[in-house]
Amino acid sequence: AQSVSQHNHHVILSEAASLELGCNYSYGGTVNLFWYVQYPGQHLQLLLKYFSGDPLVKGIKGFEAEFIKSKFSFNLRKPSVQWSDTAEYFCAVNGDSGTYKYIFGTGTRLKVLA
Amino acid sequence: SAVISQKPSRDICQRGTSLTIQCQVDSQVTMMFWYRQQPGQSLTLIATANQGSEATYESGFVIDKFPISRPNLTFSTLTVSNMSPEDSSIYLCSVGSGENNEQFFGPGTRLTVL
Repeated sequence: AQSVSQHNHHVILSEAASLELGCNYSYGGTVNLFWYVQYPGQHLQLLLKYFSGDPLVKGIKGFEAEFIKSKFSFNLRKPSVQWSDTAEYFCAVNGDSGTYKYIFGTGTRLKVLA
Repeated sequence: SAVISQKPSRDICQRGTSLTIQCQVDSQVTMMFWYRQQPGQSLTLIATANQGSEATYESGFVIDKFPISRPNLTFSTLTVSNMSPEDSSIYLCSVGSGENNEQFFGPGTRLTVL
C-alpha cells in the first residue's frame, strides 16, 4: 500500500535559517509528488509539484524540492526562511496513473521566530 | 486554478444529529473529492464525488455515514450523519484540474461534535 512519511512534525527556526523538511514515500511505480502549504487560517495551497524531468523543482516563495528516486524522497528546502513561512506543510503522492488520488503525509508544523 | 467555497466554515453540533456541507466551484470540473482532516492528523480521502452517479468511497468510509450528492459539475454536498464526537474534524472538498493530476482545495469546514 502507498504511504507517505514526514519525519519532522514540528520545526522551530529563526528567521534566515535554512529549512529542509523530509518526505519519503512508499510506492513502486511512477509517482507525481506535491508539497502543499497551509498558512494559519487559510486553505491548502500548492507550493510545488514534480511530474517528470528535472528532479529539482522550484515553487513559489523561494521553495524548492528535490526528487531522489533511489531514496523515494521528495524533501522540501528553502535557503532562508521568513516569519511569514510559519505554516503547516504537507507532502502528497499521487501514484495511481490517470487518477487524482493523493496520499498525504501527516504534515510538518513550521514556526519561524522573528 | 479553480476557486472553491465551502459552507458552513465551521459548526458545533450535538451528538446524533447530521450536518450537510456544501462545496461550490467557480467552474465546471469533472473530479471532486471530499477529505477529512482529524485533529493532529493528515488528510484522508473519504470519497470521490461523481456527477450523475453514486460516489466512490474509500476503505473505511460508507455511504450511510457520509452520503454525498453531486447534482452538477460545480457543486457537491457531503453529509455527516448520526454524528459522534469522533467525527470532529475539518472536512475539505477539492477538485482535480489540469493534465498533471493537480488538486485544488476548498477552505474547509471545521466541525465540532459535542
